[in-house]
Amino acid sequence: QVQLVQSGAEVRKPGASVKVSCKASGYTVSEFTMHWVRQAPGKGLEWIGGFDVEEDERIYAQKFWGRVSMTEDTSTYTAYMELRNLRSEDTAIYYCAMDVNVSLTFPSWGQGTLVTVSS
Amino acid sequence: DIVMTQSPDSLAVSLGERATITCKSSQSLLYSATNKNYLAWYQQKAGQSPSLLIYWASIRESGVPDRFIGSGSATDFTLTITNLQAEDVAVYYCQQYFDSRPVTFGGGTKVELK
Repeated sequence: QVQLVQSGAEVRKPGASVKVSCKASGYTVSEFTMHWVRQAPGKGLEWIGGFDVEEDERIYAQKFWGRVSMTEDTSTYTAYMELRNLRSEDTAIYYCAMDVNVSLTFPSWGQGTLVTVSS
Repeated sequence: DIVMTQSPDSLAVSLGERATITCKSSQSLLYSATNKNYLAWYQQKAGQSPSLLIYWASIRESGVPDRFIGSGSATDFTLTITNLQAEDVAVYYCQQYFDSRPVTFGGGTKVELK
């Protein structure tokens, strides 16, 4: 059973950047198929991006192009999501979610990291 | 982008009764080469992370009770919860993975006890 543990809550001012980490344990597959999903307060789920194994590349939702970077440290099974030029509407819980079955479904989720953007 | 539309936004169901949630996609999620529908359902309880319930439209994830039933094909899908239990109170989301650019979720359906 894969377990994902995320870094703690962050507070940033508009225009700043934030980097959230997600450490996986119990993971035995070589491909590191991490995705990131966010949820604004009281709202639904929004996919940010992740690694598409079939395409062998990272893919991002268009609204985040140029502002988001996703990286992985395969030696420590840790994934990172950096979001730049933060706006108040980026205030949300950010989840990492692992595509364990390589199907773009997410059986494993982190506990979430609250990112608050406020001046 | 494939737009996923869920209905209703919320519903109240008595214990032991049935809850039915629908999800419509703006284009077919049925891939002819595999004859599979690229549709998943998630449950999110208050204050928790989402949890995968169903994938390929009707296959229950390991450990999911058989009172959760996914059905449908192409653009119209249904999640049925039979014999509703108190622990089923949650928000339910559908997700399409037919098109990875981008993966999209429905707006969610809140299930409460009547």
